[in-house]
Amino acid sequence: DQQVKQNSPSLSVQEGRISILNCDYTNSMFDYFLWYKKYPAEGPTFLISISSIKDKNEDGRFTVFLNKSAKHLSLHIVPSQPGDSAVYFCAASVLYGNKLVFGAGTILRVKS
Amino acid sequence: GAGVSQSPRYKVAKRGQDVALRCDPISGHVSLFWYQQALGQGPEFLTYFQNEAQLDKSGLPSDRFFAERPEGSVSTLKIQRTQQEDSAVYLCASSLAPDRVEKLFFGSGTQLSVL
Repeated sequence: DQQVKQNSPSLSVQEGRISILNCDYTNSMFDYFLWYKKYPAEGPTFLISISSIKDKNEDGRFTVFLNKSAKHLSLHIVPSQPGDSAVYFCAASVLYGNKLVFGAGTILRVKS
Repeated sequence: GAGVSQSPRYKVAKRGQDVALRCDPISGHVSLFWYQQALGQGPEFLTYFQNEAQLDKSGLPSDRFFAERPEGSVSTLKIQRTQQEDSAVYLCASSLAPDRVEKLFFGSGTQLSVL
């Protein structure tokens, strides 16, 4: 029973264009969402987060959008750079909980 | 170092062998987590410590898995009588916050292969 789903295993984007990574969740108790980025042979690194009281959070080239009614969030990267090529994991939690539930990840390739 | 450190980086075990995986969290981080990441999947929660107290071990897949953090800093994940299905990357993470989830800082993981 996957509570957090990333339905696109991979995405390929041209350098300079927008990358949009999607994530769906099923547990309506989730109220805190994060995106992690992972390079090969390294652990995931935190990218950006959003709590359920917001519908958008922006940090430089990265913006996360949350649609609570659809139980959907997305990560936008603009403009995409070759160094953004990595696996991106969506994760969710109850804010005052102690565990993150991760999706299976999306491999992003940014072509130069 | 400034980050979460895990050792060994790679571990090959024969089926039935016991293994111990070590995690050095970021200094001062109260919370410590262990996650298991199977090939092609996202990390899955195993257990959580707040200082030396193991507050949640609901993700441990069987009683062959045991974790400890006796002095509230270094943690060890022990797997007894390893099975092939235990093959995965074991990730340790730490965070400063004691009572809520926020961004976790992950180590590079230990890749366990059980033959």
